[in-house]
Amino acid sequence: NAGVTQTPKFRVLKTGQSMTLLCAQDMNHEYMYWYRQDPGMGLRLIHYSVGEGTTAKGEVPDGYNVSRLKKQNFLLGLESAAPSQTSVYFCASSYGGSQNTEAFFGQGTRLTVV
Amino acid sequence: AQSVTQLDSQVPVFEEAPVELRCNYSSSVSVYLFWYVQYPNQGLQLLLKYLSGSTLVESINGFEAEFNKSQTSFHLRKPSVHISDTAEYFCAVSDQGGSEKLVFGKGTKLTVNP
Repeated sequence: NAGVTQTPKFRVLKTGQSMTLLCAQDMNHEYMYWYRQDPGMGLRLIHYSVGEGTTAKGEVPDGYNVSRLKKQNFLLGLESAAPSQTSVYFCASSYGGSQNTEAFFGQGTRLTVV
Repeated sequence: AQSVTQLDSQVPVFEEAPVELRCNYSSSVSVYLFWYVQYPNQGLQLLLKYLSGSTLVESINGFEAEFNKSQTSFHLRKPSVHISDTAEYFCAVSDQGGSEKLVFGKGTKLTVNP
């Protein structure tokens, strides 16, 4: 049982490049989330999804796009990376709704934009 | 909308001393409350949670937290800390209406010194 798996674990991008971060969960969770973690800022929600085919904006969505074409996968895209997007990105999933009792996190992706 | 305030960004303590990490929340509806722990270079793990019932909840490694509705607090305590408790601790809230969002505080870095 892998839980939540993020790919890749590390990446260095040049300003203006694009990339996609992949999150996969095998717990049949409805809800999935993308957070970024920066020193002193805690975890800030970028985008989230409450089910296959749905996405919604979180607290800091600008510069990011997401897709949830399959229930088990949640992709985070950066179309034109900026140094301000240097961060550690975490994906999480949960049952959501009335069963929203725990979120399970991936190990994180450390992204550096130079 | 919910919000979470963790009053201390860093808490240094000596081994075997007691510790309290403070968390206050704001919400217009009833909430679920969580404490997550993040060890260095890892993702977040659930430490304990309040869903309903007894206002005092405990973790398997000796932490406890008490839900205080009148003070909108969910402080985390441990009577005697170990070196291995050194980590960052995040308080989080979601509303009982099945909100899609899990909102985190900015975290408290606990450092246990010998």
